[in-house]
Amino acid sequence: AQKVTQAQTEISVVEKEDVTLDCVYETRDTTYYLFWYKQPPSGELVFLIRRNSFDEQNEISGRYSWNFQKSTSSFNFTITASQVVDSAVYFCALSEASNYGGSQGNLIFGKGTKLSVKP
Amino acid sequence: DTEVTQTPKHLVMGMTNKKSLKCEQHMGHRAMYWYKQKAKKPPELMFVYSYEKLSINESVPSRFSPECPNSSLLNLHLHALQPEDSALYLCASSPRSSEQETQYFGPGTRLLVL
Repeated sequence: AQKVTQAQTEISVVEKEDVTLDCVYETRDTTYYLFWYKQPPSGELVFLIRRNSFDEQNEISGRYSWNFQKSTSSFNFTITASQVVDSAVYFCALSEASNYGGSQGNLIFGKGTKLSVKP
Repeated sequence: DTEVTQTPKHLVMGMTNKKSLKCEQHMGHRAMYWYKQKAKKPPELMFVYSYEKLSINESVPSRFSPECPNSSLLNLHLHALQPEDSALYLCASSPRSSEQETQYFGPGTRLLVL
């Protein structure tokens, strides 16, 4: 069965601190997709990154970086020099591969981590 | 442009009312989704339309009725809802491409059932 675990329910940091959000996943598939979404208080889920199971390269985008490790089934997200605007709920999600090669329709979400960045 | 629009933003309805939620995308995506999200919970998948055909129905009660009139538009018709159906309803779309398959979400409709 597929499962995504975000063990940190809430994290509070002071601006400019670095923070890492943990994500551990379970799947029996050899091909799968991992995602991170940000949900600010307004409610919209904002796509941040997609990673395919066969691509273990880490990625950096500005202050954001992601560490994908298949050996530990983890896909952690680090925000460097956090800012107040980073305050949101962050969801990690997993999707199986479909017959056509892309992801299936069903995203399996973790329970989310609420990040509060205080000035 | 990765914009998915949803109307209305807020909706209050009684248990005997009939209302509809609307979702629109103009990215040429061929899959569209409805999710329900309760407070402090992750989104839960309700329906998936792929190439305008219903492909996944996650055992949603019949008081929720989806409709996909064309590849850009997705509706969710609501009838005889219960107070526990109050939630944020999110629409998403994806290209149905093996290389670029990512779901993009709209801002949601906050529904309150009285």
